[in-house]
Amino acid sequence: ETGVTQTPRHLVMGMTNKKSLKCEQHLGHNAMYWYKQSAKKPLELMFVYNFKEQTENNSVPSRFSPECPNSSHLFLHLHTLQPEDSALYLCASSPRTFQETQYFGPGTRLLVL
Amino acid sequence: QQQVKQSPQSLIVQKGGIPIINCAYENTAFDYFPWYQQFPGKGPALLIAIRPDVSEKKEGRFTISFNKSAKQFSLHIMDSQPGDSATYFCAPALNDYKLSFGAGTTVTVRA
Repeated sequence: ETGVTQTPRHLVMGMTNKKSLKCEQHLGHNAMYWYKQSAKKPLELMFVYNFKEQTENNSVPSRFSPECPNSSHLFLHLHTLQPEDSALYLCASSPRTFQETQYFGPGTRLLVL
Repeated sequence: QQQVKQSPQSLIVQKGGIPIINCAYENTAFDYFPWYQQFPGKGPALLIAIRPDVSEKKEGRFTISFNKSAKQFSLHIMDSQPGDSATYFCAPALNDYKLSFGAGTTVTVRA
């Protein structure tokens, strides 16, 4: 249940702000993922990291910048966001990519004003 | 982009009923067919999954039925309980990990 933690849980930011979302997994996994869950679209995969290397960028705008300093931590740096970027951002991890079970964190609820 | 269609959007059943959720997909390259369960304030959690070489899988009260020729799979919740009230997502995957989520089905089980 607490294997994947995300901070902050809620975030309100203006369009000119810069903020970062943090994800930490305590499961010893090597793959980490960012997803976006918005009211109007199904859950979307944004980025995939495997052994700290980015292996997937699902055509995400450059105002979202991921960082994976080690296999346990994943960040999503945000700058000059738009109101339509308001959503729940979920982090997940799995033992490695090409591994079925992904474990999700509780998400960060982001509101862009 | 609309590779996965999930239905219904929501359903309400009485305790002991059998909610059934359907998922239709287009991409025949999908190789892994999971269902995720999400409670309010939590991230999705893997509930049950099936491989395309199997037509049915049961885990406890949850059953997946898979129809490869029709490109559909469904989730059945047997003897449903109020604690099963949640949002359920199908998420067929490429290479096991690249999940394509459906829009979700909100299930309410009334006591």
